Amino acid sequence: EIVLTQSPGTLSLSPGERATLSCRASQSVNSRYLAWYQQKPGQSPRLLIYGASSRATGIPDRFSGSGSGTDFTLTISRLEPEDFAVYYCQHYSGGVTFGQGTKVEIK
Amino acid sequence: QVQLHQWGAGLLKPSETLSLTCAVYGGSFSGFYWSWIRQPPGKGLEWIGEINHSGSTNYNSSLKSRLTMSVDPSKNQFSLNLSSVTAADTALYSCARSYTSNYHYYMDVWGKGTTVTVSS
Repeated sequence: EIVLTQSPGTLSLSPGERATLSCRASQSVNSRYLAWYQQKPGQSPRLLIYGASSRATGIPDRFSGSGSGTDFTLTISRLEPEDFAVYYCQHYSGGVTFGQGTKVEIK
Repeated sequence: QVQLHQWGAGLLKPSETLSLTCAVYGGSFSGFYWSWIRQPPGKGLEWIGEINHSGSTNYNSSLKSRLTMSVDPSKNQFSLNLSSVTAADTALYSCARSYTSNYHYYMDVWGKGTTVTVSS
């Protein structure tokens, strides 16, 4: 079973700063099946990125994804107030696994 | 616009069976897999399993022995049954649409979630 480990657990940043979130897989994975989600308190997760680097419909271009093999990154180029949330990576390989999440909080 | 509406019992006693149903409105039912995901209070996301319109399933191996999913294509509905629940099954349960292909996998439409509490 593939384990996804996200780091850091919490990222404290100010609006306008750049956020870099990491997702590391326990073994090499197919990047086609790597996705990122954003979850705000009291809301369902929202798809941000699929295929490791493709933005979902309606997602602003300040969100970008990259990576391959075991190391994947979600970058938010300039944090907007609405971007402070928890972010999860997810992979599919016959079953679905999620990372434990990274909370991006206001510094 | 695709919407998912889910319902089911929110308070269960230990050993009872959790039953939830999710209805799909406004889009194709047959072209996707349909997933259940849960989130314990204050914790992360756990995938429970998925089913397609013809009843093919994929289950989380850690829940498989207690899990049954079913589908009613005539109503665009799918259901989750989790037997012998314990307090550890207390969580927000959500249904979601899973886009599955040879090229990608992602969950792009989510229900609002149902809080299920297991308590004696």
